[in-house]
Amino acid sequence: AQSVTQPDIHITVSEGASLELRCNYSYGATPYLFWYVQSPGQGLQLLLKYFSGDTLVQGIKGFEAEFKRSQSSFNLRKPSVHWSDAAEYFCAVALNYGGSQGNLIFGKGTKLSVKP
Amino acid sequence: DTGVSQDPRHKITKRGQNVTFRCDPISEHNRLYWYRQTLGQGPEFLTYFQNEAQLEKSRLLSDRFSAERPKGSFSTLEIQRTEQGDSAMYLCASSPFGVAGETQYFGPGTRLLVL
Repeated sequence: AQSVTQPDIHITVSEGASLELRCNYSYGATPYLFWYVQSPGQGLQLLLKYFSGDTLVQGIKGFEAEFKRSQSSFNLRKPSVHWSDAAEYFCAVALNYGGSQGNLIFGKGTKLSVKP
Repeated sequence: DTGVSQDPRHKITKRGQNVTFRCDPISEHNRLYWYRQTLGQGPEFLTYFQNEAQLEKSRLLSDRFSAERPKGSFSTLEIQRTEQGDSAMYLCASSPFGVAGETQYFGPGTRLLVL
């Protein structure tokens, strides 16, 4: 069965430090991969997505992610974290029906705290 | 371009009561999804529509749950005889099916508390 694993439940980084959030997926076909961010009381906002092509994708707010097929990973990175990045981050896989998407399968999320 | 809207944003009800939530997708998005998110978990898929047709339902969607999208625009999710275990955030998302690189855009959610 398809699944997404985010191994880190909670991460704390200092403002200005670099960040990497891990995501591993289990899916037999070529996946569509996403990172969403959720701030308290807010809906999910798309940070970036991977469909095909260049395995390093750029997103909003200075985030990037790298798809590594051999490791079944899609880790999210940011070179310098800002206090406003404190939120919960979700990795997701969309089922791929011959090029057409199905529903998203989410990981359990990683909560990011930022120290001043 | 307005985003996905959901109404109400919060709902408190007593066990055994029926509740109905509404989702208005981004206009011209022909796919509409419902997800449920409990505390400390990621969203879990419930069901989705393509236009007015309900194409898939998760096993999470018990027979107390029903969803409709009568004219292929807004959708409603009804929960009958609510139970405390139904307390969760209910999220709606829409996407333009058939567009390369389609993305699901989420609404702010309806938070349900069953007492």
